[in-house]
Amino acid sequence: AQKITQTQPGMFVQEKEAVTLDCTYDTSDPSYGLFWYKQPSSGEMIFLIYQGSYDQQNATEGRYSLNFQKARKSANLVISASQLGDSAMYFCAMREPGSNDYKLSFGAGTTVTVRA
Amino acid sequence: DADVTQTPRNRITKTGKRIMLECSQTKGHDRMYWYRQDPGLGLRLIYYSFDVKDINKGEISDGYSVSRQAQAKFSLSLESAIPNQTALYFCATSSRTEPYEQYFGPGTRLTVT
Repeated sequence: AQKITQTQPGMFVQEKEAVTLDCTYDTSDPSYGLFWYKQPSSGEMIFLIYQGSYDQQNATEGRYSLNFQKARKSANLVISASQLGDSAMYFCAMREPGSNDYKLSFGAGTTVTVRA
Repeated sequence: DADVTQTPRNRITKTGKRIMLECSQTKGHDRMYWYRQDPGLGLRLIYYSFDVKDINKGEISDGYSVSRQAQAKFSLSLESAIPNQTALYFCATSSRTEPYEQYFGPGTRLTVT
């Protein structure tokens, strides 16, 4: 069964506007970690932001914030004030709960295109 | 210099050929991983390793093998390549400290004809 679901294959956003990328996850373990990665057209994977399941506050990193709704098992990424350089594919990932191997399960990704 | 490097960056090979993808890291991390990326499927784990004596299968290990030659080196082999192994392959290492984020190499684009 798929553990991470990203339902938006592609999105368009106007420059300087905010965009929300959806991510839902499936686990019965109370301890887990959620990550977002960015993959530009050049192909590299860039770590953006992390949310731990016990964190009380939503994570923020510059223009990136994570809207964590634990009861709904969602961890949506919000990019504020979009820039042309934000055009990329974005992956949500979950660290396998309860393991010390730190494996990640990835969603299928969402492609974001920022329009000038 | 990049912390996680992969060679080659691009490779075209023929069905049935043996091919090795190499990964080196200078981050001093113990845990290393090999993933493949296919359109619409995200990244899927092939193999991972805690150290040179500990190799573990991931979600899609069939048709692949790995070797951890040293803490810093982790190689992925396709013993007899087939066209559906055409993909983008990533090597990654995991931080030793919370949140144990993974650092990825630049990827190897492999085409099997």
